[in-house]
Amino acid sequence: DAGITQSPRYKITETGRQVTLMCHQTWSHSYMFWYRQDLGHGLRLIYYSAAADITDKGEVPDGYVVSRSKTENFPLTLESATRSQTSVYFCASSGTGNEQFFGPGTRLTVL
Amino acid sequence: GQNIDQPTEMTATEGAIVQINCTYQTSGFNGLFWYQQHAGEAPTFLSYNVLDGLEEKGRFSSFLSRSKGYSYLLLKELQMKDSASYLCAVRDLKDYKLSFGAGTTVTVRA
Repeated sequence: DAGITQSPRYKITETGRQVTLMCHQTWSHSYMFWYRQDLGHGLRLIYYSAAADITDKGEVPDGYVVSRSKTENFPLTLESATRSQTSVYFCASSGTGNEQFFGPGTRLTVL
Repeated sequence: GQNIDQPTEMTATEGAIVQINCTYQTSGFNGLFWYQQHAGEAPTFLSYNVLDGLEEKGRFSSFLSRSKGYSYLLLKELQMKDSASYLCAVRDLKDYKLSFGAGTTVTVRA
């Protein structure tokens, strides 16, 4: 299906485990973004990418790693999950740098 | 960096008009965006302003004053389905990052 998808949609993990959240878009958009959304904070940018093999830190990058070997994929890895990383994670893409299209989100709980 | 402020909550009656204000302080401005987010769903794009003035799109309008660091989103003829969170976001001059405000939750009552 065309669009932007995220997997898994829901994930429960334990402190210290490594977790990878997947993001896939079919539009060949150059720009891709990872946000986390927490009550009272709104959306905060974790990492972003302007093209394949180009990534940069956002506002809250600590504890996260990204890669972008292919234009359509932008996985986000939590190297050693902590309770403070319990959140809803949104991936987004943009072709022009203007409108961003958001995926459905992944709800992550770290116990 | 960006500092973006918007009210936390607003309540209005079906059929009425609501104006959501957004003020921002930025080191470099390259556009202001409004997104709508229903509970449990992803944000969806509503409007984009880069020049001063009013942009109208159906029942929704967005206004920008760059000199005042101010924008508003105007929702007319409110419907129950407009109950949602409305996010103001500012794009940085250097790159394509967006900084979001915390969002305004609008509740439409019958």
